[in-house]
Amino acid sequence: KAGVTQTPRYLIKTRGQQVTLSCSPISGHRSVSWYQQTPGQGLQFLFEYFSETQRNKGNFPGRFSGRQFSNSRSEMNVSTLELGDSALYLCASSLGGDKNIQYFGAGTRLSVL
Amino acid sequence: TQLLEQSPQFLSIQEGENLTVYCNSSSVFSSLQWYRQEPGEGPVLLVTVVTGGEVKKLKRLTFQFGDARKDSSLHITAAQPGDTGLYLCAGSGYSTLTFGKGTMLLVSP
Repeated sequence: KAGVTQTPRYLIKTRGQQVTLSCSPISGHRSVSWYQQTPGQGLQFLFEYFSETQRNKGNFPGRFSGRQFSNSRSEMNVSTLELGDSALYLCASSLGGDKNIQYFGAGTRLSVL
Repeated sequence: TQLLEQSPQFLSIQEGENLTVYCNSSSVFSSLQWYRQEPGEGPVLLVTVVTGGEVKKLKRLTFQFGDARKDSSLHITAAQPGDTGLYLCAGSGYSTLTFGKGTMLLVSP
């Protein structure tokens, strides 16, 4: 069974630009969560989608948005990029059960110059 | 807001040593998960503990969930260089995970 796939693996953008990251979950998984990982803050929850609906949202500004498609693939978008948005963005998929076991992709490393 | 504190933040040891890392919270979680993350990769699930007082063993790794389901520990026996990585604990709430900042473990030959 294929794992969680994130594209692209690396991105370099400049301040003010926008970026879209993609995540393909494990087949059969309907829940997709996004996290931002930085050395100072660790893994911080961005949002979770389940069956195309945003079910939970973390404490991030509105510049961070996402969506999920009918095939469970998800995208996240960051507009008006800031230097502080440089981070590893991780996507995780799960069946959505009560144990909430999540399987992570390798991440997209975003550098904002 | 549920917070998970991990300690120590960084640990550098020699091959063959034993170590314990801790994960503490003031909140109760329905379950707690431990992940290991290697450079350039996403976290990989090691174990999930659900019941207070539960102990799980995974080869040289022993995981314990506190009786009150607020804390957990990970003990590694005879550490090997392949154990090097970032160890993350995560508490499970309703469809979300709250992560600690992790313990970076470096095992030198």
